[in-house]
Amino acid sequence: GAGVSQSPRYKVAKRGQDVALRCDPISGHVSLFWYQQALGQGPEFLTYFQNEAQLDKSGLPSDRFFAERPEGSVSTLKIQRTQQEDSAVYLCASSLGPRAGHMQETQYFGPGTRLLVL
Amino acid sequence: LAKTTQPISMDSYEGQEVNITCSHNNIATNDYITWYQQFPSQGPRFIIQGYKTKVTNEVASLFIPADRKSSTLSLPRVSLSDTAVYYCLVGRDDKIIFGKGTRLHILP
Repeated sequence: GAGVSQSPRYKVAKRGQDVALRCDPISGHVSLFWYQQALGQGPEFLTYFQNEAQLDKSGLPSDRFFAERPEGSVSTLKIQRTQQEDSAVYLCASSLGPRAGHMQETQYFGPGTRLLVL
Repeated sequence: LAKTTQPISMDSYEGQEVNITCSHNNIATNDYITWYQQFPSQGPRFIIQGYKTKVTNEVASLFIPADRKSSTLSLPRVSLSDTAVYYCLVGRDDKIIFGKGTRLHILP
């Protein structure tokens, strides 16, 4: 079956422009995550959905960042009034859902969207 | 989530076994240890997960001593295609806390 897909793969935006990044998770996956990865760094958590509910948005760096998953499948990460420091790779991941017990559910990552803000 | 410490980078040669050790002194009793691999221009990919002793799959082995304060990812007979960043993660949460990982470079 298809993995996680993201679009666009590359986005160049002028400072101040709004952008929207799309994530198509694996069909049937309950959980969906967004991460931001700066050059040379590990991915950093942004937000988490369980179905359509956004359960954790503690990693969103500012109120310019907004994510939604209205029907519990496709998700969109929107960045308003982009700034140069928003330049990064934005990764989406999905998983079957929280496991009982303490095992960490495997997350399946998409290829990411590379955003460059000029 | 427990903090992890791993080497920033490692070099090895094709055909050798590579061991990457991760320290996690504050691991909680119920925490699992998970490793992800990331190739350039790709998202991370799950490699292996374990709780104690040894776990092996078709890609790697994971060794966890009795005190569980560290773990070692073992890659047998590496090839050039194993050049990647390897992340050690500890805990269970609905989000993953990545560190900087270990940048493994395989030389011919």
